Amino acid sequence: DIVMTQSPDSLAVSLGERATFNCKSSQSVLYSSNNKNYLAWYQQKPGQPPHLLIYWASTRESGVPDRFSGGGSGTDFTLTISSLQAEDVAVYYCQQYYSTPTFGQGTRLEIK
Amino acid sequence: QVQLQESGPGLVQPSQTLSLTCTVSGGSINSSSYYWGWIRQPPGKGLEWVGSIFYGGTTYLNPSLKSRVSMSADPSKNQFSLKLTSVTAADTAVYYCGIPRGSGSYSGWFDPWGQGIRVTVSS
Repeated sequence: DIVMTQSPDSLAVSLGERATFNCKSSQSVLYSSNNKNYLAWYQQKPGQPPHLLIYWASTRESGVPDRFSGGGSGTDFTLTISSLQAEDVAVYYCQQYYSTPTFGQGTRLEIK
Repeated sequence: QVQLQESGPGLVQPSQTLSLTCTVSGGSINSSSYYWGWIRQPPGKGLEWVGSIFYGGTTYLNPSLKSRVSMSADPSKNQFSLKLTSVTAADTAVYYCGIPRGSGSYSGWFDPWGQGIRVTVSS
């Protein structure tokens, strides 16, 4: 299995500031034949299912605010919230789908 | 737009079999366009893919659970189901059904998700 490791485990950011989440895979999730990174990001609020934010590492899902952006390639990825809003408080997960799906352990985002 | 809803017992006794159903609306489970998946989340913990099923009945299962998991589909009810045998407290979790997308296989990003069903294993 590909192991996904997220850092930090928790993050406290002031409203309006930038929040950056990291995700590292134990092996590359870049598929050479199509040059796509098989990596997604989700937001999960208490009592709710995960909500898809980003797929192919950097493609924003329809309806997701443009303050959310994804980047990286190969084994190292980031999710960035450019200007934190109160409604962004949640746990954020990365997931690879290059092989049998696996998720990171999550990063909890709080307001400083 | 496809919507998913999980159902089943919220309490299962240790060593028994956990049985859950996901009802699909807004789409046909017989569609060759979709795989159908289960993901679980133990209390306060992260997400674990349980398995996925294709409309023809082919299943893809998490190797760590493979010996205890089976999945099936019922096109007449537009439902797919999960069975997990010999459950222990470690199987206590919220179980979600979801659709893996994008890679054209059992593995993809999951969207949409059902609301989830909380299952507790306890006597």
